[in-house]
Amino acid sequence: NAGVTQTPKFRILKIGQSMTLQCTQDMNHNYMYWYRQDPGMGLKLIYYSVGAGITDKGEVPNGYNVSRSTTEDFPLRLELAAPSQTSVYFCASSPMNTEAFFGQGTRLTVV
Amino acid sequence: AQSVTQLDSQVPVFEEAPVELRCNYSSSVSVYLFWYVQYPNQGLQLLLKYLSGSTLVKGINGFEAEFNKSQTSFHLRKPSVHISDTAEYFCAVSDQVYGGSQGNLIFGKGTKLSVKP
Repeated sequence: NAGVTQTPKFRILKIGQSMTLQCTQDMNHNYMYWYRQDPGMGLKLIYYSVGAGITDKGEVPNGYNVSRSTTEDFPLRLELAAPSQTSVYFCASSPMNTEAFFGQGTRLTVV
Repeated sequence: AQSVTQLDSQVPVFEEAPVELRCNYSSSVSVYLFWYVQYPNQGLQLLLKYLSGSTLVKGINGFEAEFNKSQTSFHLRKPSVHISDTAEYFCAVSDQVYGGSQGNLIFGKGTKLSVKP
């Protein structure tokens, strides 16, 4: 079972570059999330979606964009990469009101 | 908006000793509560969850947690820890809305449990 798949696993970006972090799930979950994890800071919610075509901002949305055109996919877009966006990014999915299933993460470094 | 406070950033403990990891939350509505574990260089996996019903919740690997609404707490306990329990543990909360989750699953900053032989 694939579960939640994130690509790429690692990426180095230069300041000002853009990229898309991919996330796909094969569990037909309505809810999907993007988090960033920084040492000692836990997970901060960037954006979430409660279904295809519906997205909402989390705690730290600035500098990011998302879309949800299908149930399976929830890509995260960085338009102008900044050093402050160096982090580990996790995508997760969830049925309506139970546990969230996490991907393995994308480690992003902006230099 | 809800928030989660994990009172200890690091908890060292000897093998076979009991452990309690503390979690307090704030929310203006009813909540769902979760504990997740993260092993090095991995994603998070669910240990246990409180959705409704009994306030004492049992999870995987011998962990349990108790929901205390009056104290807005959801502390995680294990009576006897093993070396393999060394990991980072995260408490999380989600608002209940219309019988489901609002979707804004919020995490605490984590507690690093270090089990020593």
